[in-house]
Amino acid sequence: GAGVSQSPSNKVTEKGKDVELRCDPISGHTALYWYRQSLGQGLEFLIYFQGNSAPDKSGLPSDRFSAERTGGSVSTLTIQRTQQEDSAVYLCASSLGGGGNYNEQFFGPGTRLTVL
Amino acid sequence: AQSVTQLGSHVSVSEGALVLLRCNYSSSVPPYLFWYVQYPNQGLQLLLKYTTGATLVKGINGFEAEFKKSETSFHLTKPSAHMSDAAEYFCAVTPSGAGSYQLTFGKGTKLSVIP
Repeated sequence: GAGVSQSPSNKVTEKGKDVELRCDPISGHTALYWYRQSLGQGLEFLIYFQGNSAPDKSGLPSDRFSAERTGGSVSTLTIQRTQQEDSAVYLCASSLGGGGNYNEQFFGPGTRLTVL
Repeated sequence: AQSVTQLGSHVSVSEGALVLLRCNYSSSVPPYLFWYVQYPNQGLQLLLKYTTGATLVKGINGFEAEFKKSETSFHLTKPSAHMSDAAEYFCAVTPSGAGSYQLTFGKGTKLSVIP
């Protein structure tokens, strides 16, 4: 079956512009995660969605970052007024469920964001 | 708070030699532990995980890791390196038990395999 897909694979934008990154999780997976991979900070957790519960936004670095998940499936990560330090690879992952007995997170290929 | 330390950002081994990638964690209680591999321009792939039970876990591609509570370590090994093992490897932890989901990653170790 299909894995986690992300689009676009690459995004180049100018400082100050808004960007939207999309994630399509594996069908049937109720949990969805966003991570950021940057040279300076490594891999960082951003946000977690589980079913209809309120998302855990504790990893979002600033209020310029937001995410939503519509219909419990596709998720969009939005970065407003992008800054050069937002340049990174944004990874999405999904799992059968969150918490409890650990459910493996399956990662997408990522979106490479470059802010000029 | 949990943290993960991977010793060595770059490791080079000869083809056929032992691979040893080191990972130490800091946690008030033993967490769940993972090793992921990332090939260029690809996402992360789970190599192996430790949650409960046997402390020596075997994963894909001939890799294995041993959870040593006394040393707070979860080092990754492979007896004989292959050219296809060249990639970046990440150790990660998440709190054990109900409600755990957020992965905390180490900085990664880039493995080069010399022919």
